[in-house]
This record gives sequence, structure tokens and C-alpha cells, in this order.
Amino acid sequence: EAGVAQSPRYKIIEKRQSVAFWCNPISGHATLYWYQQILGQGPKLLIQFQNNGVVDDSQLPKDRFSAERLKGVDSTLKIQPAKLEDSAVYLCASSSPSRLVMNTEAFFGQGTRLTVV
Amino acid sequence: AQKITQTQPGMFVQEKEAVTLDCTYDTSDPSYGLFWYKQPSSGEMIFLIYQGSYDQQNATEGRYSLNFQKARKSANLVISASQLGDSAMYFCAMRERYSGGGADGLTFGKGTHLIIQP
Repeated sequence: EAGVAQSPRYKIIEKRQSVAFWCNPISGHATLYWYQQILGQGPKLLIQFQNNGVVDDSQLPKDRFSAERLKGVDSTLKIQPAKLEDSAVYLCASSSPSRLVMNTEAFFGQGTRLTVV
Repeated sequence: AQKITQTQPGMFVQEKEAVTLDCTYDTSDPSYGLFWYKQPSSGEMIFLIYQGSYDQQNATEGRYSLNFQKARKSANLVISASQLGDSAMYFCAMRERYSGGGADGLTFGKGTHLIIQP
């Protein structure tokens, strides 16, 4: 089965520019997550979708970050305008169940490495 | 307070030796799950092993085992007979049941960089 696909793999932008990342989860997975991983730290959850609805965006900086998951499949994460501290790897993950199952494994993509200069 | 604490930023281990990676957690939720993920230099997160808070036995998956001490709130990963390919970042993570609203995202620690030496 194909894994979680993300693009682009790398992106360099200047501060105050905008950028968008794309994620295609594993086919049939209802749950999609976006994580931010700053160098030297563990991933931090930004937003969780269940199908095309948001169930948790408490850690998403909503003044500059936005995300959508149209039709409950692909998702896009946007940053506008970018700041230097947004430099990080943005990981997309997906999982299968449509409701909370404690031992559910999340499958991760390879991430997009963003550098803001 | 940190929900997941990994106190070893880096470790060097000789090939074929066993290695223990430490993880302590903090939660008041009686139902939670603990995960370990491996992150090679290529960047993807690879699931290794899971331990539920109500599981009576320590989880095992091949060369990976989890030393779960509930009273101490620790969930250390043990890798037996380490191999060169085990060199990577290792992350401990937790899922809590009562995050609310169906939210079930993982909370990760800062990770341990494991280097296996020949």
C-alpha cells in the first residue's frame, strides 16, 4: 500500500512570503494530522482532521497558519506570512479509524523541510 | 510541565549490545497509550512499539521491548542486539483518551539520538 505522500520535500523562502505544503494520506484513512518539528525537538501537533472536519487546532497559530482538507482526502497547510521561527520540518500523518482507538498507529510522510531566510 | 521527558539527548552504543532509551510521562488520564517511533536521517517516523495503560504485560516486537513501570510513569524502550541500522532519532510519544472532541494526536518527547558504533 502506498504511504503518506508529501510535497515539496524542501522549500526555502524569505520571511513574509507565503508557502503551502501538500499531503496525500493513505487511501481510506479518515484521520489526518499535521505536525511541526523544529530542529532538535519532537514533532508538535498543529491540527487534526477527521474526514474533512477539524477536531483539534488548538496549537495552530491561526494568525498565519491555515489548513484545509477538501473532500476528506488531500490536505494543504499554508503559512502566510512566514517568520524565521517557522523554519522546521512539517510532517503529515494519517490513521485509519474514524473514532478514537487508543492503539492506533499513525503513518507519517517524509515531511517538508522549510527554511525561512 | 513536560508531558513526555526523554533525558538522554544522545547515546553511543557498541554494535550487538543491548540499549535502553529512557522515557517518563505525565498524565492524570487513567487511559492512555505510549508509543515509540524511530526517525532515520531520511525523516520519516517509523512506528516501533505500543503499550496501553491497562496492558498487564510489557509489549514486545521483535528486538524491541518496552519496560513499562506504571507507578513510576516510565516506559523505557529496550533494543536487544543493536545493529548499525538502528542509528537514528528515537521518540517516545503519548496519546491520552480524554483530550476532548475526538482529538487523539500524539504528544512527543524531544527524542534521543542513538548512534551504533561498529
